[in-house]
Amino acid sequence: SQQGEEDPQALSIQEGENATMNCSYKTSINNLQWYRQNSGRGLVHLILIRSNEREKHSGRLRVTLDTSKKSSSLLITASRAADTASYFCATGSNSGYALNFGKGTSLLVTP
Amino acid sequence: GAGVSQSPSNKVTEKGKDVELRCDPISGHTALYWYRQSLGQGLEFLIYFQGNSAPDKSGLPSDRFSAERTGGSVSTLTIQRTQQEDSAVYLCASSLGSVSGNTIYFGEGSWLTVV
Repeated sequence: SQQGEEDPQALSIQEGENATMNCSYKTSINNLQWYRQNSGRGLVHLILIRSNEREKHSGRLRVTLDTSKKSSSLLITASRAADTASYFCATGSNSGYALNFGKGTSLLVTP
Repeated sequence: GAGVSQSPSNKVTEKGKDVELRCDPISGHTALYWYRQSLGQGLEFLIYFQGNSAPDKSGLPSDRFSAERTGGSVSTLTIQRTQQEDSAVYLCASSLGSVSGNTIYFGEGSWLTVV
């Protein structure tokens, strides 16, 4: 079942701008992960944030987690055309064996 | 291997035929997952292996779908009597242990088209 839901479904920005994507989920989690997918093929792990963390950085990526609101956000700063991809959040519950993915946000960065 | 390897990359099959999709996980990864992604959709969980056993196969859509894993390594997803709605990208992933705190690594997927 899909637990994470990304918002917006699609986002179009210009190079240099920041891109913010949001993810909401329904049940308690151990951690939340963000993945990137190019052209409908394999997903690449971007960042993992644990339930006891509120914010995490990795290069131009910044992820926040608000467990009280059951939401997370992914911020890509100073976006580049190469950031064009679909971005998915995924949650791993305490009782589940696998990650549940949302439907993703499709990001288009134009030069 | 260096990454998760899947084969074939692309498969076109006639409705009613059986297909086998193969996944070779990262060496040493005990957990293996199969997901399905239809065009423009999110990932649909199919089955999870820990070693050779499948504690969670709840995502398999019908009894036409089955999967096995041998030697704690290679896994095969079999779809019998394929239907057009089976057309999708089938993604395999592996991780060191369970998803609790572990990153999972995906292969490039097998694109299945049923005509």
